[in-house]
Amino acid sequence: GQQLNQSPQSMFIQEGEDVSMNCTSSSIFNTWLWYKQDPGEGPVLLIALYKAGELTSNGRLTAQFGITRKDSFLNISASIPSDVGIYFCAGHPNAGNNRKLIWGLGTSLAVNP
Amino acid sequence: DGGITQSPKYLFRKEGQNVTLSCEQNLNHDAMYWYRQDPGQGLRLIYYSQIVNDFQKGDIAEGYSVSREKKESFPLTVTSAQKNPTAFYLCASSGVGQGGNQPQHFGDGTRLSIL
Repeated sequence: GQQLNQSPQSMFIQEGEDVSMNCTSSSIFNTWLWYKQDPGEGPVLLIALYKAGELTSNGRLTAQFGITRKDSFLNISASIPSDVGIYFCAGHPNAGNNRKLIWGLGTSLAVNP
Repeated sequence: DGGITQSPKYLFRKEGQNVTLSCEQNLNHDAMYWYRQDPGQGLRLIYYSQIVNDFQKGDIAEGYSVSREKKESFPLTVTSAQKNPTAFYLCASSGVGQGGNQPQHFGDGTRLSIL
């Protein structure tokens, strides 16, 4: 099935550093979602974006819906050890009744205290 | 508390055996989904249901079956036809808003292993 291009695949950073990851698609998306998954648990929704150009924050997290509607990025400022996990982007390529999400393969984040 | 409950947390299957994974939600969501996650990989859609008594195949439906007899329940059966069932299985649900699609919310998963 269709997949999003998510990068980087993994990151290893020092505590306090800022983090940036992004997702791109070859087709237009109407919704971009960012999730975080801890080991052995289900993904948890961090930020949802619904309009091109939209910039939304959730604490130290900021995400943007790209103007072209084919990309999105997630930034984490001043990382802390509990930011460790896998971050997934996902999106809806069509509006209306199509409820299927297209997923990226994830960015694995490690934080060195 | 509102949420999605998956059970059991860990499940073991013998060769040739069918097993059923439970997923219950009390969020009053219309849509429910089953995903499979393998190590180092993303989420792959097995089946989804947009309304009671209706469901559609996802990208990897072979060897799996589902039912949607009640709005709050969407059990997944891993049949003996699924030759590589060892994986982490995630259930999700979503509502419908004015804009159409609402974010999916996930349970804590069931890890299935072959004995």
